[in-house]
Amino acid sequence: GNSVTQMEGPVTLSEEAFLTINCTYTATGYPSLFWYVQYPGEGLQLLLKATKADDKGSNKGFEATYRKETTSFHLEKGSVQVSDSAVYFCALSRGNTGNQFYFGTGTSLTVIP
Amino acid sequence: DTAVSQTPKYLVTQMGNDKSIKCEQNLGHDTMYWYKQDSKKFLKIMFSYNNKELIINETVPNRFSPKSPDKAHLNLHINSLELGDSAVYFCASSSGLAEYFGPGTRLTVL
Repeated sequence: GNSVTQMEGPVTLSEEAFLTINCTYTATGYPSLFWYVQYPGEGLQLLLKATKADDKGSNKGFEATYRKETTSFHLEKGSVQVSDSAVYFCALSRGNTGNQFYFGTGTSLTVIP
Repeated sequence: DTAVSQTPKYLVTQMGNDKSIKCEQNLGHDTMYWYKQDSKKFLKIMFSYNNKELIINETVPNRFSPKSPDKAHLNLHINSLELGDSAVYFCASSSGLAEYFGPGTRLTVL
């Protein structure tokens, strides 16, 4: 079956610290992988995605590389800001119309000044 | 223009009442979803419609009934509301390349 496992939070970091949020997946075939971000009081927004092995998705200083050999898609940012405080969701999809997206449980990040 | 919109944003109601949440997307997507997010931020898929046809129906009480009058709309009707229905409900749409979420409807059942 298809599933996503991401590290449990909450995660608390000081401003300018390095961030890693781990995500591993189980899927048949070659899924597309995503990171979504949910800011307080808002819906989920697509942060970045990668559609094939070794692809790197990047946006707003965040990066994640699709690693097929380790079935991972870890989210990283070199220097976090207070405005990055949010809940981050890893997800996968087979990419076809009508296909289900599978979301991880979410990791809450709080960045303190 | 808002891509995926939901109304209302907040809904407070008494146990036993019937309520509806509306969702509209202007992205031209074929697939729409309803998710329930609990207080711990866990996101659970409830329903998925593709071209007005139900394709995913997770283990959800039959008090919840989705209705898709056309491809751009997927409404959620809830009968006999219970305390445990309190949550944030998100509508989403997808072309298969990514999902786009609405802002959510916070339902509080008293």
